[in-house]
Amino acid sequence: EPEVTQTPSHQVTQMGQEVILRCVPISNHLYFYWYRQILGQKVEFLVSFYNNEISEKSEIFDDQFSVERPDGSNFTLKIRSTKLEDSAMYFCASSSGPPNNSPLHFGNGTRLTVT
Amino acid sequence: AQSVTQPDIHITVSEGASLELRCNYSYGATPYLFWYVQSPGQGLQLLLKYFSGDTLVQGIKGFEAEFKRSQSSFNLRKPSVHWSDAAEYFCAVVGNTDKLIFGTGTRLQVFP
Repeated sequence: EPEVTQTPSHQVTQMGQEVILRCVPISNHLYFYWYRQILGQKVEFLVSFYNNEISEKSEIFDDQFSVERPDGSNFTLKIRSTKLEDSAMYFCASSSGPPNNSPLHFGNGTRLTVT
Repeated sequence: AQSVTQPDIHITVSEGASLELRCNYSYGATPYLFWYVQSPGQGLQLLLKYFSGDTLVQGIKGFEAEFKRSQSSFNLRKPSVHWSDAAEYFCAVVGNTDKLIFGTGTRLQVFP
């Protein structure tokens, strides 16, 4: 069964550094998402992406965050200047249609640790 | 705005016992409801979904869930739990946006 793959599985970075989290969604999917889960807390929506643009974003997704689909297969999340509170598990997801029509398929996540 | 409540943070059952995990949602119209499971160190795997039609939905691994509009609930059930079912279970809802809203999760522990 096709999967969403995320790399790296674990990233450690220093506060203030830029990080790029990478995702390869399922190949025929059209909708892409990033969610995050701070340790011990619920999974939170960050951003959805469709037709090469952001379709919705949460209050968490401020100017420090950006997403890109650079080459038609990868979907990246960039954090420009990381803060300690960005430490979390970041999940990429994709779906073939909008969420009220098609279920999201999630990757295994990237654990980001900011020191 | 839509929201999801999972009242039980932690549930412990014996292997072979039946299981019911509670989920209540808040949304004015017909919601789209999901249950996901997260094993330690893993991503979120879809167990089952409700979009419309039959209110009792079957999922993978022997799980089922029933949508009850009158109670705003979508409880997850399994008649006989296996040790491998120990994991964190998340209920989620989509309303009229692109956002999947998750509950806080229920951690299931299974004793032999």
